Amino acid sequence: SYELTQPPSVSVSPGQTARITCSGDALPKQYAYWYQQKPGQAPVLVIYKDSERPSGIPERFSGSSSGTTVTLTISGVQAEDEADYYCQSADSSGTLYVFGTGTKVTVL
Amino acid sequence: QLQLQESGPGLVKPSETLSLTCTVSGGSISSSSYYWGWIRQPPGKGLEWIGSIYYSGSTYYNPSLKSRVTISVDTSKNQFSLKLSSVTAADTAVYYCARLSGYDGVNPWGQGTLVTVSS
Repeated sequence: SYELTQPPSVSVSPGQTARITCSGDALPKQYAYWYQQKPGQAPVLVIYKDSERPSGIPERFSGSSSGTTVTLTISGVQAEDEADYYCQSADSSGTLYVFGTGTKVTVL
Repeated sequence: QLQLQESGPGLVKPSETLSLTCTVSGGSISSSSYYWGWIRQPPGKGLEWIGSIYYSGSTYYNPSLKSRVTISVDTSKNQFSLKLSSVTAADTAVYYCARLSGYDGVNPWGQGTLVTVSS
């Protein structure tokens, strides 16, 4: 089955930059999406179509893509950015959705 | 503003069938641009896509759950539903319904509902 791999955790000091990677074989052919999930809450979309930011999402969130890896970058991390982050994409057929393994971002 | 709300029993016995309904408000489930889907999250674990349905009834299921899952749609009620048969403790999770798009991703999500499988 198709898998998206993320690092389990990332730690960053306030004001610094956090980068979260997501790797998958079909990523060159399928868009990637990123979700932020805080404890007890539903996930929230923070990046769509690899690098687009929905309205209401702070500019410090950005996305990029290179080959089989996509990256979520949080510039100038704030305490409120501490959360779990999941990438999501589809298999090569585009019909089966898959979520990444998730990354816990800790703000030191 | 589009909103989704899950409803259904919070406790299901092992070997029985889990049934949930998602009610869509603020928009039509018959929109040609979107699928509607179910995603679950076991306590302390990651997200798992269960399956998706188009308003016409076309479905796609996670291969790992396909033999036990049925997703259906009722356009007259602006609802779609999930049935998961032969449940075990491993099916205990928060179940989310959501709107799905190959362009917009999974957005928005319902608030989620915890379903516990226990006798």
